[in-house]
Amino acid sequence: GAGVSQTPSNKVTEKGKYVELRCDPISGHTALYWYRQSLGQGPEFLIYFQGTGAADDSGLPNDRFFAVRPEGSVSTLKIQRTERGDSAVYLCASSLNEQDNEQFFGPGTRLTVL
Amino acid sequence: GNSVTQMEGPVTLSEEAFLTINCTYTATGYPSLFWYVQYPGEGLQLLLKATKADDKGSNKGFEATYRKETTSFHLEKGSVQVSDSAVYFCALSDGLTGANSKLTFGKGITLSVRP
Repeated sequence: GAGVSQTPSNKVTEKGKYVELRCDPISGHTALYWYRQSLGQGPEFLIYFQGTGAADDSGLPNDRFFAVRPEGSVSTLKIQRTERGDSAVYLCASSLNEQDNEQFFGPGTRLTVL
Repeated sequence: GNSVTQMEGPVTLSEEAFLTINCTYTATGYPSLFWYVQYPGEGLQLLLKATKADDKGSNKGFEATYRKETTSFHLEKGSVQVSDSAVYFCALSDGLTGANSKLTFGKGITLSVRP
């Protein structure tokens, strides 16, 4: 079956621009997570959705970052006024529900801010 | 807060050598522990997990035992193969019942296995 998909796979943008990164979770998975992975580091938690609501957004670095999941399936991570330090691989993961602790990861979107 | 510490890498081994990758953690409550693997050009995959103390997770010849007394979850394999070359991440999730299960990852370690 289809796994978690993310688009685009690569995104190059200029400092100050706005970007949107999309995540399609595994069908039927109610929990969705966003992580950010900088070069040479492990993934760092950004935000978690249970259904349509953001249950924990404590990992978002600042108010330039925002994420939505309006219908409880696809999620979009939005970054305003991008900075060079935002360059990283953005990973999305989903799990069956919030009690199920096995997360399935997508391939990631590599964001480069010039 | 929660944290995971992995041994420094990279690690280079010859095929059929014994592998140990150390992982220790700091957490409140009773976390679940995981090893994830990232093969070249692929996404993160769950390798194995353990959800309570003294549990042993195993998969593809890899094993790790949840040691609460030493707060460790070291990964071992008796005989590595070239195909095991990858980046390995140790991770934990909050142990609070019903709470979100966000993962806290270590930095990862690159394993290269020579023929």
